[in-house]
Amino acid sequence: NAGVTQTPKFQVLKTGQSMTLQCAQDMNHNSMYWYRQDPGMGLRLIYYSASEGTTDKGEVPNGYNVSRLNKREFSLRLESAAPSQTSVYFCASNRDRGNEKLFFGSGTQLSVL
Amino acid sequence: GNSVTQMEGPVTLSEEAFLTINCTYTATGYPSLFWYVQYPGEGLQLLLKATKADDKGSNKGFEATYRKETTSFHLEKGSVQVSDSAVYFCALSENSGAGSYQLTFGKGTKLSVIP
Repeated sequence: NAGVTQTPKFQVLKTGQSMTLQCAQDMNHNSMYWYRQDPGMGLRLIYYSASEGTTDKGEVPNGYNVSRLNKREFSLRLESAAPSQTSVYFCASNRDRGNEKLFFGSGTQLSVL
Repeated sequence: GNSVTQMEGPVTLSEEAFLTINCTYTATGYPSLFWYVQYPGEGLQLLLKATKADDKGSNKGFEATYRKETTSFHLEKGSVQVSDSAVYFCALSENSGAGSYQLTFGKGTKLSVIP
């Protein structure tokens, strides 16, 4: 019963460094999402993938790139990290974009110094 | 555009107290409404949902009624427990065409229940 698995759980970067957040789901879901959670801001959608082979921008895509590697995996990349990207990042998935229930991973806490 | 407004936290209650967390929304059409819960160190989980006006969603003793006339979806529980301590998010989704939807979250309300 793994559900949605994210790695790493914690990461500290220096400004300008790059890194990739990994996400995998074992529920055979078609759609996957990346959100960021900031104090007082709720969750904001960064990018999503409605199905394997497609990706689209969400509300706050600047400074990020994504790859839908296969049906299971959806990665988020920061090419040149900035302090404004300090946040908690959540990956989520659901059967398809017409199915409203989201399943979330446990999050990645990222600090950019 | 769509938006969700929920009461500011944090909310601190004693065990067995009555809980209300207010949520109001703005949407162009007829959205579905949700409450998600985030326990410490975990991701969000769906707590309950309602898909049309006057529907009542319920789960684990929590309830919320979809009120179209007041555009509200307030979360209630009659007697909270320490284990209910978490952050609660109100959310809405609206069909944006071709079977897809857009999910909009509120900012979250932190609940702490003390023994």
